[in-house]
Amino acid sequence: KNEVEQSPQNLTAQEGEFITINCSYSVGISALHWLQQHPGGGIVSLFMLSSGKKKHGRLIATINIQEKHSSLHITASHPRDSAVYICAAPTQGGSEKLVFGKGTKLTVNP
Amino acid sequence: DAGVIQSPRHEVTEMGQEVTLRCKPISGHDYLFWYRQTMMRGLELLIYFNNNVPIDDSGMPEDRFSAKMPNASFSTLKIQPSEPRDSAVYFCASSFLTSGSYEQYFGPGTRLTVT
Repeated sequence: KNEVEQSPQNLTAQEGEFITINCSYSVGISALHWLQQHPGGGIVSLFMLSSGKKKHGRLIATINIQEKHSSLHITASHPRDSAVYICAAPTQGGSEKLVFGKGTKLTVNP
Repeated sequence: DAGVIQSPRHEVTEMGQEVTLRCKPISGHDYLFWYRQTMMRGLELLIYFNNNVPIDDSGMPEDRFSAKMPNASFSTLKIQPSEPRDSAVYFCASSFLTSGSYEQYFGPGTRLTVT
């Protein structure tokens, strides 16, 4: 079964800073997921990536399959980026069942 | 599509009462998942279905919890009798195979408080 580790657990930044959240997993997978959850809110899928890099606006996700590692970057961070970011991976291979990291709570101060 | 729909959004009940949470997945999605989220344990998978059939219920905490999916557009999670430790946010998610992987779409969640 896959094990997913995220770091850091908590992150505080000033508006405009570049943010990096890291995720590592133990078993080879077909794709890794990044999710976002605002305080008291629902869970939104940001990225599902199997190789290389994906970009949506100020968010960039990268994955290194050989090293079993992924990063989520936020450029020019803004207070509205404050949320919990969760990385998730299939339990194995291309399984439909996901294992979740414990999440990174990001606070961006104005 | 309206996305995954859950009801109710909030539920407050007394210990011992029966609670039923409802979920309507996105049309065309063949997997449905029920999760529980707490501060202490994060997101936990309770049970999931494929084409209305339960595939893995190993995360269901005990016999007080049951889930059904009578058709492709509706699922319920029932807790009977409820206990204060069941207080949590319960999410339903649906998914389908795309580009070799399964992307999950989450509902807004049901915040359950058992007093």
